[in-house]
Amino acid sequence: NAGVTQTPKFRVLKTGQSMTLLCAQDMNHEYMYWYRQDPGMGLRLIHYSVGEGTTAKGEVPDGYNVSRLKKQNFLLGLESAAPSQTSVYFCASSYSTGVDGYTFGSGTRLTVV
Amino acid sequence: GQSLEQPSEVTAVEGAIVQINCTYQTSGFYGLSWYQQHDGGAPTFLSYNALDGLEETGRFSSFLSRSDSYGYLLLQELQMKDSASYFCALRYSGGGADGLTFGKGTHLIIQP
Repeated sequence: NAGVTQTPKFRVLKTGQSMTLLCAQDMNHEYMYWYRQDPGMGLRLIHYSVGEGTTAKGEVPDGYNVSRLKKQNFLLGLESAAPSQTSVYFCASSYSTGVDGYTFGSGTRLTVV
Repeated sequence: GQSLEQPSEVTAVEGAIVQINCTYQTSGFYGLSWYQQHDGGAPTFLSYNALDGLEETGRFSSFLSRSDSYGYLLLQELQMKDSASYFCALRYSGGGADGLTFGKGTHLIIQP
């Protein structure tokens, strides 16, 4: 099993450009999450989804949008990238409320210049 | 909201035991989790404490005291491969929100 797959792994954007990060999981998990990780800041929740067709805001949602049209996919969009969005983005999924832990993807390293 | 505090860096010797502490503030939560992350890698799940007490998984143990708003991760028989960052995380409840809130992480350095 692949687990959680993120694409792309690396990307450089110019300020104002848009892009979509794709997360796919093959574990039939209901819950999916997008986090960003910055040096010294730990992981911060951007958006999450508790099932197909549902999304909700996390701790740092501004500047991002998400969609969960299919259970296995969770997309993170940046409509107009800013240098402050330079970060490593991790997608995660879980079966339930966390007892079994989150499974994380390998991350997307995004640089906005 | 939720907040978690953990030391930024801990140094220990190969073969020894080390404890990484985590204190938290929250209005309600389901449990406390621990994750390991090697440089450049993804976080991986280590343990989860829903109830007070000690949970043991091989060389790793995790402890939770809700009355003290405190938990710790205990690593025994340290190996060089245990050099990594360790994050405590709260699964919070209430307010219509869901998800894990992570501490800023403890960088564990293992010396030979």
